[in-house]
Amino acid sequence: EVQLLESGGGLVQPGGSLRLSCAASGFTVSTYAMTWVRRAPGKGLEWVSAIGRGGNTYYADSVKGRFTISRDNSKNTLYLQMDSLSAEDTAVYYCARTQPTGYFDLWGRGTLVTVSS
Amino acid sequence: DIQMTQSPSTLSASVGDRVTITCRASQSISSWLAWYQQKPGKAPNLLIYKASSLESGVPSRFSGSGSGTEFTLTISSLQPDDFATYYCQQYSGYPRAFGQGTKVEIK
Repeated sequence: EVQLLESGGGLVQPGGSLRLSCAASGFTVSTYAMTWVRRAPGKGLEWVSAIGRGGNTYYADSVKGRFTISRDNSKNTLYLQMDSLSAEDTAVYYCARTQPTGYFDLWGRGTLVTVSS
Repeated sequence: DIQMTQSPSTLSASVGDRVTITCRASQSISSWLAWYQQKPGKAPNLLIYKASSLESGVPSRFSGSGSGTEFTLTISSLQPDDFATYYCQQYSGYPRAFGQGTKVEIK
């Protein structure tokens, strides 16, 4: 079955770090661009970061310099390293498979990140 | 950066109603626009891509139109399963951007 499964969310203190994982099955992550999207409580979807098939990376201004997207082709897994977290980063984080033109055709169920003291 | 603006923010409708949601881009994005549906506690689901192409498996009552800066999502006859929040998303350039969402509620 083609699916994405996020993990690694949890409660972290302000200023802390967390690494999210997104394990893919049924397809190979290295043959697609991949994206992270988040939804904060009571708010809409926010694009966070993307990695292209060739490894180019892109970030929203709100996370640039604090978050790092990467993938491990041997594990068929996408990652999001999140540093210097603040309360504004509290959200459900989704990974999404990205078609070559740029829309998201497969989403994971999401993992909740809560930044609080 | 390209900003996406949806209207209305909330829409109250009845089963069987024809529903239209509008999405406007701050600059031309050609037809590089997608629509997603999200239900509470669930992941978003792709409905439409390239402004008017229906994703496989999506009911034909959903349709999209527009190009340039103005786009619409239409549900021809609202069904109970359609009460959800809908988002448009541009993929003309980085950073990608979503509209703020339109919540379709039961009237």
